[in-house]
Amino acid sequence: GQNIDQPTEMTATEGAIVQINCTYQTSGFNGLFWYQQHAGEAPTFLSYNVLDGLEEKGRFSSFLSRSKGYSYLLLKELQMKDSASYLCAVLDSNYQLIWGAGTKLIIKP
Amino acid sequence: NAGVTQTPKFRVLKTGQSMTLLCAQDMNHEYMYWYRQDPGMGLRLIHYSVGEGTTAKGEVPDGYNVSRLKKQNFLLGLESAAPSQTSVYFCASSAGGEISQPQHFGDGTRLSIL
Repeated sequence: GQNIDQPTEMTATEGAIVQINCTYQTSGFNGLFWYQQHAGEAPTFLSYNVLDGLEEKGRFSSFLSRSKGYSYLLLKELQMKDSASYLCAVLDSNYQLIWGAGTKLIIKP
Repeated sequence: NAGVTQTPKFRVLKTGQSMTLLCAQDMNHEYMYWYRQDPGMGLRLIHYSVGEGTTAKGEVPDGYNVSRLKKQNFLLGLESAAPSQTSVYFCASSAGGEISQPQHFGDGTRLSIL
């Protein structure tokens, strides 16, 4: 079967750095997406990785290791508005997105 | 600057009733999707469409039907609502073509079946 694993919940302090991990086992791999979802709102696109390595986009960076079936999302200089759920999703061999359950990130002042 | 618009935003149904959820996008996207999101689970694909007049089943299609008569609209129908279909439903669209194209989501429809 196909499986995406993420921690259910994480807590961090405003101004700090947090790393949200995602491991996956899927039938094929055509890239990995990260989305942000504030409570009661729609998911919004953050990043896409298909090659190994780190992609940096402002305060957010995403890393991929295809051999390990592993990705992480790194958030720097945390702000209160970063409190949200972060969803990891893998594009499988049928070009369908397989979604993790999401990691709820709580930011404390 | 609407993007993806879903109607209605909230609905309460009785078991056995039918209804249609409407999704409209103004980005000229080829691909459209219907998902459901339940607590503790990832988004699950119900049906999707890769172009006007075409639809396909996703992971959890039973109890749902869809239609894509116009490129900008994707309708999700519940034939005979069941309590297990209580969920938040999201519609999404993407440009297709390059596989890196992200999906853009509507604000969701919160559906309760009593």
